[in-house]
Amino acid sequence: EAGVAQSPRYKIIEKRQSVAFWCNPISGHATLYWYQQILGQGPKLLIQFQNNGVVDDSQLPKDRFSAERLKGVDSTLKIQPAKLEDSAVYLCASSLQLLTEAFFGQGTRLTVV
Amino acid sequence: EDKVVQSPLSLVVHEGDTVTLNCSYEVTNFRSLLWYKQEKKAPTFLFMLTSSGIEKKSGRLSSILDKKELFSILNITATQTGDSAVYLCAVVRTGNQFYFGTGTSLTVIP
Repeated sequence: EAGVAQSPRYKIIEKRQSVAFWCNPISGHATLYWYQQILGQGPKLLIQFQNNGVVDDSQLPKDRFSAERLKGVDSTLKIQPAKLEDSAVYLCASSLQLLTEAFFGQGTRLTVV
Repeated sequence: EDKVVQSPLSLVVHEGDTVTLNCSYEVTNFRSLLWYKQEKKAPTFLFMLTSSGIEKKSGRLSSILDKKELFSILNITATQTGDSAVYLCAVVRTGNQFYFGTGTSLTVIP
């Protein structure tokens, strides 16, 4: 079974630039999550989709972050404009349905300079 | 405010030692607790616990949940260098919302 695919693996940008991350969940998984993991901390949920609808985006900094999952399959997370404190690993995860474990992708390490 | 607290923050042991990692939580509408192992980037799933007092076991790893006292422990016996990783605890609440602790960094030295 193929896992959660994310790209790119690494990205370095200057502050105030824009960046986008892509995630393709495990086939058939209805729930998709984006997490931000700052060095030394646990993953923090940014946004959760159930199919193509947003379930929870309460911790998403909406002034600069946006995410979509238009067809209920793959998803993109965008930051515009980036700040230094956005430097982190962005993890995408998916789960089959509610109350099942989430499987994580390898993540994208973003460095904002 | 919902929170998940793991302890210790870091741990260094010798190969063959037994370790116990702790996860306590205060989360409304609790559904389940999950343990993950994070070696490089992607956390990999270890256990899901939903009922108190029922031990989950996989090889040298085992875990148990106490829903009355609101904590879980992860035990690793006969540790190996390959067990070196960050161990994350996550609590799932209604709506499948995951809340992660900051993790315990385990280093096993030969």
